Amino acid sequence: NAGVTQTPKFQVLKTGQSMTLQCAQDMNHEYMSWYRQDPGMGLRLIHYSVGAGITDQGEVPNGYNVSRSTTEDFPLRLLSAAPSQTSVYFCASSYQGASNQPQHFGDGTRLSIL
Amino acid sequence: GENVEQHPSTLSVQEGDSAVIKCTYSDSASNYFPWYKQELGKRPQLIIDIRSNVGEKKDQRIAVTLNKTAKHFSLHITETQPEDSAVYFCAASITGGGNKLTFGTGTQLKVEL
Repeated sequence: NAGVTQTPKFQVLKTGQSMTLQCAQDMNHEYMSWYRQDPGMGLRLIHYSVGAGITDQGEVPNGYNVSRSTTEDFPLRLLSAAPSQTSVYFCASSYQGASNQPQHFGDGTRLSIL
Repeated sequence: GENVEQHPSTLSVQEGDSAVIKCTYSDSASNYFPWYKQELGKRPQLIIDIRSNVGEKKDQRIAVTLNKTAKHFSLHITETQPEDSAVYFCAASITGGGNKLTFGTGTQLKVEL
């Protein structure tokens, strides 16, 4: 199994551009989420989904959109990139059971906004 | 919302010594506490987790303890090795809260020869 796959691995954007970060998992996990990681701040939740057609905001959702049309895919869209969105973005997935389940992370997308 | 504090931010130990990283959480409803290890440029990887109905859990050289009353939990690494050098993150979540994780800010562990 590939696990959680993120593309691209690196991206440089200009301020104001838009782009989509892709995330796919092949483990049939119901729960998927996006985090951003900035130096000294750990990982912060952007958006999450508990199943196809269901999404919700996390701690830092502004400037990002998500959708969940299939169980496998959970893309993250930057609507109008800003330098403050320069970060490393991680997608994660897990089963959604009666008790919380371990989350599996992708390799990350390193995004720079100029 | 939940707030997780993690200390220390950096930790340097000699090979073979023990390392302890401590975290506190604010929401008494949190009941799942995973620990992740992240090597430079890599993804976070789960190394151990504990649920609120357990006070301690061990896996070889790694152990986690949980004090629900004080709302803190700790990671203990014994007989440290150079390959233990990495950033370690604690996290907390609430069952039924969408499996959302709130992370601490990380501890850079360096194991010196």
